[in-house]
Amino acid sequence: QVQLVESGGGVLQPGGSLRLSCAVSGFTFDSDVVHWVRQAPGRGLEWLAVMSFNGNQKYHAMSVTGRHTVSRDTSNKIMFLEMTSLRDEDTAVYYCAKGEGTGILSNGLGVWGRGTTVTVSS
Amino acid sequence: SYELTQPLSVSVAPGQTAQITCGANNIGRQTVHWYQQKPGQAPVLVIRRNENRPSGIPERFSGSISGNTATLTITRVEVGDEADYYCQMWDRTTYVLFGGGTKLTVL
Repeated sequence: QVQLVESGGGVLQPGGSLRLSCAVSGFTFDSDVVHWVRQAPGRGLEWLAVMSFNGNQKYHAMSVTGRHTVSRDTSNKIMFLEMTSLRDEDTAVYYCAKGEGTGILSNGLGVWGRGTTVTVSS
Repeated sequence: SYELTQPLSVSVAPGQTAQITCGANNIGRQTVHWYQQKPGQAPVLVIRRNENRPSGIPERFSGSISGNTATLTITRVEVGDEADYYCQMWDRTTYVLFGGGTKLTVL
């Protein structure tokens, strides 16, 4: 059974950095992909990035390119979202989700974690 | 680049049919997915690849796509269907796109 569990959220000051983790289980193939999506309070879903477990596919949204980066620890089956230069507008619930199928980026996001909350405030 | 346009809200009485649209130029040539999100919960995929229901999603949920509009249809709407609904597609320049979301209210 596929499961994703996010962790690492917290309260930070503007300009700070944070690394979110997404522990995955039940993945079958190294080409499986994990997306990061966030949702600001009272707002819609915003896609941030995607990365395959083998690292061969990696894309970021223009809105976070250069500030936020995805990475992975394949040994421990953890995907990361490393966020820097945090701003008030980074305040959100951050979800990781598995892309359906294997390695097909146009597929839907089939299984989601429960999310972790990041609050950026001075 | 694409933008996906959804109505902010749709209201329907229990037992009636709700239709939620997702508009974009020539979206009929794309692959669209739909998600349901209830308050305080993570989104759930309810329609994959335009018209296919994942396991566990009631048959009352269906999807269609043509021309400039993708549509999520929920028949025999129940109070438990009250949620926010998002369309989503993959675009080669902006990658994953979500619509702005539609709040379904069951009167």
